[in-house]
Amino acid sequence: SQQGEEDPQALSIQEGENATMNCSYKTSINNLQWYRQNSGRGLVHLILIRSNEREKHSGRLRVTLDTSKKSSSLLITASRAADTASYFCATKPPGTYKYIFGTGTRLKVLA
Amino acid sequence: SQTIHQWPATLVQPVGSPLSLECTVEGTSNPNLYWYRQAAGRGLQLLFYSVGIGQISSEVPQNLSASRPQDRQFILSSKKLLLSDSGFYLCAWTAGLGQRGTDTQYFGPGTRLTVL
Repeated sequence: SQQGEEDPQALSIQEGENATMNCSYKTSINNLQWYRQNSGRGLVHLILIRSNEREKHSGRLRVTLDTSKKSSSLLITASRAADTASYFCATKPPGTYKYIFGTGTRLKVLA
Repeated sequence: SQTIHQWPATLVQPVGSPLSLECTVEGTSNPNLYWYRQAAGRGLQLLFYSVGIGQISSEVPQNLSASRPQDRQFILSSKKLLLSDSGFYLCAWTAGLGQRGTDTQYFGPGTRLTVL
């Protein structure tokens, strides 16, 4: 099956810095979602951006979407050690029930 | 509120043994249900999904099968495990057709399966 791609694969930053992760996808979409996964746990939904939106904010999260480039970015501002996790983007092509997850970005925030 | 349960949390099984992982959802009706597998440090591979009782769609032909005997119960099975079946298995649900928030997936805590 098709997979989205996130980059970088891994990111290590100091607490207080901003973290930016990128996602590219291959199909048409109605929306794109970002999820977080703490080590050994299930995924948690963070934010959903619709295909007619270009930017969306939720707390310290900012998501952008460029449908012409089939790409999205997730920005976490003023990062905290608790933000250490893997982050995945996910899309669901219109007319299907299937979700396509990216390969993930492993973020490590150093205290 | 809705909750999703998976068990067991961890499992160590010998090659050739059977497998049964269970997932149940509470607080919602007619959910779409999903089984994923995640290899260490990797993304999610969709294994099966179900949009109704008895309706199973398989994404990856392999050694596993799924069943949905009740509306909010999803079971992943194998008759004979292979070494390559090791991984982290995640169950997820989304609201069914016509319900609000149909595109957000809610994940269970996962089952870590090690086949020796």
